[in-house]
Amino acid sequence: KAGVTQTPRYLIKTRGQQVTLSCSPISGHRSVSWYQQTPGQGLQFLFEYFSETQRNKGNFPGRFSGRQFSNSRSEMNVSTLELGDSALYLCASRDRQGQETQYFGPGTRLLVL
Amino acid sequence: QKEVEQDPGPLSVPEGAIVSLNCTYSNSAFQYFMWYRQYSRKGPELLMYTYSSGNKEDGRFTAQVDKSSKYISLFIRDSQPSDSATYLCAMSQGAQKLVFGQGTRLTINP
Repeated sequence: KAGVTQTPRYLIKTRGQQVTLSCSPISGHRSVSWYQQTPGQGLQFLFEYFSETQRNKGNFPGRFSGRQFSNSRSEMNVSTLELGDSALYLCASRDRQGQETQYFGPGTRLLVL
Repeated sequence: QKEVEQDPGPLSVPEGAIVSLNCTYSNSAFQYFMWYRQYSRKGPELLMYTYSSGNKEDGRFTAQVDKSSKYISLFIRDSQPSDSATYLCAMSQGAQKLVFGQGTRLTINP
């Protein structure tokens, strides 16, 4: 099976702009989670989607949002970008919400100038 | 105080050494414990998964969980240069978000 794929792999944006990141889970997986990874804070949970519904949400401001489509693909949007949003954004999938193990994609590296 | 504490290192050992990586946690509700390996510019890769207390072995890797002490470990035997990576512990309360440690950067010197 193909792994989790994320596009784009790299992005450069300026403050105030918005950005949309895409994630395609492993075939058959219905749950998609998003994480932000920074050197200072490590990996932090953003939100999880299962069957097009947000099931869990982390402690991030409302500028961070997401959605999931009927084919389980997910997008994450960040509006009004701040310098501190520069990070590696990781997507992880699992085949059902109750499964504990998650499989990560390669990430999208976002740089905000 | 963070829910999961992990020494960020860096840790540098010679090839063939036994490596011990550790995490402590404060939330006694955590039941599922994982170790991920992350190479530079890659996403984390699931290495080991353990439910509740006990040991689990997979080749050169052994994961230990001591819930009474809220302490988990990953041992790597006969370490290889290809094991050089950042190792992240992660844990969850079942169908909840994963909570990660900071990650330990490990270098195995030939």
